[in-house]
Amino acid sequence: DIVMTQGALPNPVPSGESASITCQSSKSLLHSNGKTYLNWYLQRPGQSPQLLIYWMSTRASGVSDRFSGSGSGTDFTLKISSVEAEDVGVYYCQQFLEYLTFGSGTKLEIK
Amino acid sequence: QVTLKESGPGILQPSQTLSLTCSFSGFSLSTSGICVSWIRQPSGKGLEWLATICWEDSKGYNPSLKNRLTISKDTSNNQAFLKITSVDTADTAIYYCARIPAGYFDYWGQGVMVTVSS
Repeated sequence: DIVMTQGALPNPVPSGESASITCQSSKSLLHSNGKTYLNWYLQRPGQSPQLLIYWMSTRASGVSDRFSGSGSGTDFTLKISSVEAEDVGVYYCQQFLEYLTFGSGTKLEIK
Repeated sequence: QVTLKESGPGILQPSQTLSLTCSFSGFSLSTSGICVSWIRQPSGKGLEWLATICWEDSKGYNPSLKNRLTISKDTSNNQAFLKITSVDTADTAIYYCARIPAGYFDYWGQGVMVTVSS
């Protein structure tokens, strides 16, 4: 099984500052087709998760350009530039190279 | 627009079979490349993928639960279903269905709470 390990944030993060969330996979998520099968979601309190980034670095429709995804085959980062109150919630990474698995989540709090 | 909505029994007893329905609109499960998944989330915990069914009727299951899961679809009525046999308290969770166009969940339902209790 591919295990997804997420890092923690130094909460609370001051409003307007940037925040980077890390995610590490136990196996490279780079597919032979050149795509990296890693996605990011935000789950705001009391809501369903919403897609932020797919294929490691492609922003989903309607997602603010303050969100960006990057990484290699096994180490990934979701960067939020200039965090805002609406960014509060839990962020999950998810792989789909083999079955589908989520990371354990990273909570973002704003000061 | 794309919407999904889950429905279920609310509460059931240990050892019973849980039956869930995902009713959706704005897309068809007969469209090439489209799949629907079930994901669950125990209270205060993370997300767990359960099963996926795709347009050509291929299915995938979480290996840790595979023996207890059955996913199916009714394309003409725009519904997907999940059955979980022999439930126990560990199956208490919010259950979501979500659309997968290409390996990512782009639309999610609001979720349905299921409680297993005697």
